[in-house]
Amino acid sequence: QSVLTQPPSASGTPGQTVTISCSGSSSNIGTNAVSWYQQLPGMAPKLLIFGDNQWPSGVPDRFSASKSGTSASLAISGLQSEDEADYYCASWDYSLNGLYVFGTGTKVTVL
Amino acid sequence: QLQLQESGPGLVKTSETLSLTCTVSGGSINSETYYWGWIRQPPGKGLEWIGSVYYTGRTYYNPSLKSRLTISIHTSKNQFSLRLTSVAAADTAAYYCATTTGSTVDYWGQGTLVTVSS
Repeated sequence: QSVLTQPPSASGTPGQTVTISCSGSSSNIGTNAVSWYQQLPGMAPKLLIFGDNQWPSGVPDRFSASKSGTSASLAISGLQSEDEADYYCASWDYSLNGLYVFGTGTKVTVL
Repeated sequence: QLQLQESGPGLVKTSETLSLTCTVSGGSINSETYYWGWIRQPPGKGLEWIGSVYYTGRTYYNPSLKSRLTISIHTSKNQFSLRLTSVAAADTAAYYCATTTGSTVDYWGQGTLVTVSS
């Protein structure tokens, strides 16, 4: 049911930069802010980025995000082993009387 | 710092009603800042927003679940709840209670696994 499309997987070696894309439409990313969430194995998701590119307190600036038109992206620089997790983008979608939509999720593997 | 904790049965029979409660600590559920909501995740799959309730009682539901869904707020107990009727195997998931502000899910509970089985 996800209307935000992410690549299923991404990988990199320690120290590298990994970028994850999130493709949406004018009814979601095109008009509403994007958030990103990190879900470590067996844990609840955690807010990583809000308002397209803002960091909550405690999130390292190795994580950065941007948005252009109906697409967004998350970059993880200086990749570390503890970054191995699932990552989800999300936004409101004002079609269908309003719905908070999550991306399909991307599994990041640190090689 | 808000903390959220889900509680409820871990096993529900097919066609019956799934009921979960979220207890809020570290803040008041009467806050104008947050919407109080539920998100679920089937085993091995992605996240799905279920719906939210504001302190006024106004609700916002996922259209795909709306006909079976009730989310209520219980201000005297600092709790909110989820009720999903006529459940099927496809409703088996980890259920998270959470707060939202704008386009952001700020705080998450640890989640509770609910299995639907006959």
